[in-house]
Amino acid sequence: DSGVTQTPKHLITATGQRVTLRCSPRSGDLSVYWYQQSLDQGLQFLIQYYNGEERAKGNILERFSAQQFPDLHSELNLSSLELGDSALYFCASSPRGTSGIDTQYFGPGTRLTVL
Amino acid sequence: AQSVTQLGSHVSVSEGALVLLRCNYSSSVPPYLFWYVQYPNQGLQLLLKYTTGATLVKGINGFEAEFKKSETSFHLTKPSAHMSDAAEYFCAVSDRRNFGNEKLTFGTGTRLTIIP
Repeated sequence: DSGVTQTPKHLITATGQRVTLRCSPRSGDLSVYWYQQSLDQGLQFLIQYYNGEERAKGNILERFSAQQFPDLHSELNLSSLELGDSALYFCASSPRGTSGIDTQYFGPGTRLTVL
Repeated sequence: AQSVTQLGSHVSVSEGALVLLRCNYSSSVPPYLFWYVQYPNQGLQLLLKYTTGATLVKGINGFEAEFKKSETSFHLTKPSAHMSDAAEYFCAVSDRRNFGNEKLTFGTGTRLTIIP
């Protein structure tokens, strides 16, 4: 158990809908990362937050957005869903966001299926 | 931009045999290097990482990896495979110049199968 929790574990929805994925980082970790794992794209970095502020952006679509709240939990919002958004979405956390020093600890993921 | 190449999407070895999973990176500056393992229906777990210092890094579960700058490689090895090693393994890099926003760039993964 990494200490990172993600809810829900599974999510099935229809095209055009909007969903919210939630992540609670390890106690004391200030940095939260979101990754997407799909069969065709592999594991891709989406976005990073550090202590409530966006720090880095990767291959995140405009239909997707995220935020980190004062209690440090984070939410990833996916809207106007398409079939191709079906994937496993991971959240990871680290104390400061400095990979050379800190380890990124991954949650179990949320599996999103868009029908 | 950094990239990671994992040679062999599937590797099969016999129980007790040497495990060798290959990883090469492309970067003008040697990055931080990581190996993660993903068991079925689970998240990723860090096996080991190289940041600085000794180029042979020992990780959990008997795995180790050696950073070879001249070959831009960070291959993962284990002397004797165990059935419990069956999983997907990801090599990842992080740009050491991006202090504070060191996202991980992952390879495409290698699925390791252990033959009894």
